[in-house]
Amino acid sequence: EAGVAQSPRYKIIEKRQSVAFWCNPISGHATLYWYQQILGQGPKLLIQFQNNGVVDDSQLPKDRFSAERLKGVDSTLKIQPAKLEDSAVYLCASSPFFYRGNYGYTFGSGTRLTVV
Amino acid sequence: EDKVVQSPLSLVVHEGDTVTLNCSYEVTNFRSLLWYKQEKKAPTFLFMLTSSGIEKKSGRLSSILDKKELFSILNITATQTGDSAIYLCAVANGTIQGAQKLVFGQGTRLTINP
Repeated sequence: EAGVAQSPRYKIIEKRQSVAFWCNPISGHATLYWYQQILGQGPKLLIQFQNNGVVDDSQLPKDRFSAERLKGVDSTLKIQPAKLEDSAVYLCASSPFFYRGNYGYTFGSGTRLTVV
Repeated sequence: EDKVVQSPLSLVVHEGDTVTLNCSYEVTNFRSLLWYKQEKKAPTFLFMLTSSGIEKKSGRLSSILDKKELFSILNITATQTGDSAIYLCAVANGTIQGAQKLVFGQGTRLTINP
């Protein structure tokens, strides 16, 4: 099966600019996650979708970050305006709704964002 | 607040050595503990542990969970340079079946020198 697709792979922007990331999960996976991984740290959950509804966005900086998952498939994560501390790798992951497997979640390759 | 703590944060050993990576956790609604290997950007799955005392093995890697003491270890024997990576421990928690989320530790950066 195809993996989780993310784009772009890399992005460099100036502070106060806006940026958007795209994620296409594994076909049929109802749950989609966006994680932020700052250099030297473990991934931190930003937002979790179940189909097109938000399950958890408690750690999403809502004054500048927004995310949507139209039709319960693809998702976009936007930052506007970006700050220097937003420099990180943004990982998308997906899992089936009725989680039964022993394989954990499937992560995409991530987008490395550098804010200068 | 849910917390996952890994130790050591960094480890440098010689090829052929055996290493033990540690992970302790404090989470509500524990479902499982997972280990991932991260070489470039995407973490790749290694193990999922749900029951105490049952060792999971895959080649030179093995892991075990202690749900009473709230920790897990990941062992790598006869290390190779290809084992160099960041090893992430994560705990899955959730109150709704199927809508779990992962809380990650900060990772252990393992370097294997030839």
